[in-house]
Amino acid sequence: AQSVSQHNHHVILSEAASLELGCNYSYGGTVNLFWYVQYPGQHLQLLLKYFSGDPLVKGIKGFEAEFIKSKFSFNLRKPSVQWSDTAEYFCAVTGSRNYQLIWGAGTKLIIKP
Amino acid sequence: GAGVSQTPSNKVTEKGKYVELRCDPISGHTALYWYRQSLGQGPEFLIYFQGTGAADDSGLPNDRFFAVRPEGSVSTLKIQRTERGDSAVYLCASSFGGNYNEQFFGPGTRLTVL
Repeated sequence: AQSVSQHNHHVILSEAASLELGCNYSYGGTVNLFWYVQYPGQHLQLLLKYFSGDPLVKGIKGFEAEFIKSKFSFNLRKPSVQWSDTAEYFCAVTGSRNYQLIWGAGTKLIIKP
Repeated sequence: GAGVSQTPSNKVTEKGKYVELRCDPISGHTALYWYRQSLGQGPEFLIYFQGTGAADDSGLPNDRFFAVRPEGSVSTLKIQRTERGDSAVYLCASSFGGNYNEQFFGPGTRLTVL
């Protein structure tokens, strides 16, 4: 069965620190990859997505992610985080059923001001 | 325009009762999805509608769960004989089409079964 794993359940950083959140998936075929964010008290929003082409994808609010096919990974990065980035981040993939999102367990990110 | 809306935002019920959860998708979105999110986990797929029909209901956990979308817009998720294990946040999403299209999520309904 397809699955997604996110390496860290909780991450605490200071403002201006660099961020990298890990995401690995298990599916050998063609995948579409997503990062969603959920700010406190808000609903899930799309941060960025990869369907094809350049494996380095840029999203909103200065986030980017790199698809490394050989490692089955799609890690999320941001060079300098802000207090407002405090949120929960979810990695998701579609595989054999390309309408169905398979989700990781999420990473709670806390940025200390 | 308006986003996906879900009602109620919170629902507390007793074990064995019947509940209905409603989803209003973004106008014009033909695809609608239901997911369930338990505490500390990511969402799990329940069912996908394309128009009025359920194109894939393979994620529904058992026959106590049923969902409808009679006019291709609003959808209702129905749970019979609720159990404590049904407690979760039920998320609805919609998109312009099914495949490869961004899914827009509603705020969810938090269901608590006592």
